[in-house]
Amino acid sequence: QTVVTQEPSLTVSPGGTVTLTCASSTGAVTVGCLPNWFQQKPGQTPRTLIYSSYNKHSWTPARFSGSLLGDKAMLTLSDVQPEDEAEYYCLLYCGRTWAFGGGTKLTVL
Amino acid sequence: QVQLVQSGAEVKKPGASVQVSCKTSGYTFTTYFIHWVRQAPGHGLEWMGIINTDDGVTDSAHNFKGRLTMTRDTSTSTVYMELNGLTSGDTALYYCVREKPGGGFDIWGHGTMVSVSS
Repeated sequence: QTVVTQEPSLTVSPGGTVTLTCASSTGAVTVGCLPNWFQQKPGQTPRTLIYSSYNKHSWTPARFSGSLLGDKAMLTLSDVQPEDEAEYYCLLYCGRTWAFGGGTKLTVL
Repeated sequence: QVQLVQSGAEVKKPGASVQVSCKTSGYTFTTYFIHWVRQAPGHGLEWMGIINTDDGVTDSAHNFKGRLTMTRDTSTSTVYMELNGLTSGDTALYYCVREKPGGGFDIWGHGTMVSVSS
């Protein structure tokens, strides 16, 4: 069973930059793992930010970017805004099954 | 516009089954997969399973094998998720979410609350 690992929590100052990571127990996260990133604010439905490693939707703010570095998938937020405070989840298709990470609670302080 | 509209909240007793529907509109139904994801209160997202809306082939997470059934009705562009043998641990918000084959997740349903209590 694939285990996907994210930082449980991160704190960033407004205007700063923060990177969230996503690792797989199956090994290196590659484009074949089809990384997706989702944002969820309290009481709201998750929203897809990044699909297939680095692709953005029309609603994804430009300050969000996805990448692969080393053996992990990464979500980078630049010029962080107060409204970016949320839970962020990655989803991977490593090991021929889909699995979510446990989520990263991002605090903007 | 693309919409995934889910059925309403359910309250079930332990041991019962629940069926949640996800009615899609605004696109060609058979060109996107549908996934089911759940979220227990205060917990993270959990991937449950996927249905290929074109041929009906499904796959589910190990935790749900034998208990989760996903079907689709191409005439109404609706996907159904049935979970049986419910326990209090199945109390959660259940979401359907669309994927363009190749990892392109985009639109989510609004979620269906399933409560299991004796």
